Amino acid sequence: EDQVTQSPEALRLQEGESSSLNCSYTVSGLRGLFWYRQDPGKGPEFLFTLYSAGEEKEKERLKATLTKKESFLHITAPKPEDSATYLCAVQLIGSSNTGKLIFGQGTTLQVKP
Amino acid sequence: DADVTQTPRNRITKTGKRIMLECSQTKGHDRMYWYRQDPGLGLRLIYYSFDVKDINKGEISDGYSVSRQAQAKFSLSLESAIPNQTALYFCATSEGTGKDTQYFGPGTRLTVL
Repeated sequence: EDQVTQSPEALRLQEGESSSLNCSYTVSGLRGLFWYRQDPGKGPEFLFTLYSAGEEKEKERLKATLTKKESFLHITAPKPEDSATYLCAVQLIGSSNTGKLIFGQGTTLQVKP
Repeated sequence: DADVTQTPRNRITKTGKRIMLECSQTKGHDRMYWYRQDPGLGLRLIYYSFDVKDINKGEISDGYSVSRQAQAKFSLSLESAIPNQTALYFCATSEGTGKDTQYFGPGTRLTVL
């Protein structure tokens, strides 16, 4: 069965304390992996798409990386405004026609000043 | 103005009532999706549509129906609401094959008493 697992479920950091969020996947064939940010009461906001192992993408304090079994979202020197739930989703080979995504349960990040 | 809008944003209804959630987009995308989000279960796909004439069931379509009135409009109906349909509902759009990123609306919080 295709599965996406995110860890940890919750993470508390002090402002400036760098860390990483993990998204591991067990799928029949990966076409793409997506990271989203979701603030309370709002819809997910797109951050990154990664398509092949070794690929990296950066945006401000966030950097996403991809291996054959997992993806990491690295947060460097986080600020309180980075507090949110971060969602990982995968698209399977063969699903490009439908665009269907399989989502993980998310990691809720809290950054304290 | 937001690219993907949903109405209503909040709704409280009673068991057995029919309810419709609406989604509109100005992104010009062909593909539209309806998801529900429950604590601990992540985002799950209810229905998706490639265009006005093409509608498909997702993993949890039982108890729901949809209508694609135009390229820009996709509605979700609960024919006879039940309490376990209490959830956050999100609409999303994507451009199509090769342009897989899904963009989400702000969500509708539905409570069924």
